[in-house]
Amino acid sequence: SAVISQKPSRDICQRGTSLTIQCQVDSQVTMMFWYRQQPGQSLTLIATANQGSEATYESGFVIDKFPISRPNLTFSTLTVSNMSPEDSSIYLCSAITGRGQPQHFGDGTRLSIL
Amino acid sequence: AQTVTQSQPEMSVQEAETVTLSCTYDTSESDYYLFWYKQPPSRQMILVIRQEAYKQQNATENRFSVNFQKAAKSFSLKISDSQLGDAAMYFCAYRSAVYGNKLVFGAGTILRVKS
Repeated sequence: SAVISQKPSRDICQRGTSLTIQCQVDSQVTMMFWYRQQPGQSLTLIATANQGSEATYESGFVIDKFPISRPNLTFSTLTVSNMSPEDSSIYLCSAITGRGQPQHFGDGTRLSIL
Repeated sequence: AQTVTQSQPEMSVQEAETVTLSCTYDTSESDYYLFWYKQPPSRQMILVIRQEAYKQQNATENRFSVNFQKAAKSFSLKISDSQLGDAAMYFCAYRSAVYGNKLVFGAGTILRVKS
């Protein structure tokens, strides 16, 4: 299984600023994803990070707010832009190593906006 | 669209006893995967067990086993000989084998283990 590292593990940010979260996988993966988990709730998919092209966003999430990059097979970033207190959540990166394989997750980034 | 329902917001079990967590799902697809993930307070999502829909045999991983009823669209998790370290939030999740590979999660069940 893949080992997924996320940075930072947590941050406290000011309203109106932006933060970029990094996700590094220790092996090549076929697909990478970004999820949001609001306090006390389940995980919601933000987008699928596509290598070398624009991410595929789920309903309710837009590129201007959550720009995503994936320059290669093992690395992706998620930026949370123009943050507001409603963006306070845990953001998780996940990846699949191959067809039929389960998704593995990073440890998440706990983001608090003041 | 697929949906996953976990009807038990919270469950408790005595240490060394057995507990079953419920999960139902709705899909029109015939080929898919089902998963149980565990999320302790450390927030890491840990894969507990998975089931391929085309397999009739229920998956088992040590003390964890599932009861997969495809016709009823039910996928319950049984934890035997419960340990204090099993205390966590448990999520049931669905993934299509054909479209997209994204996971659809249930709302989660908090499992408390009493010593």
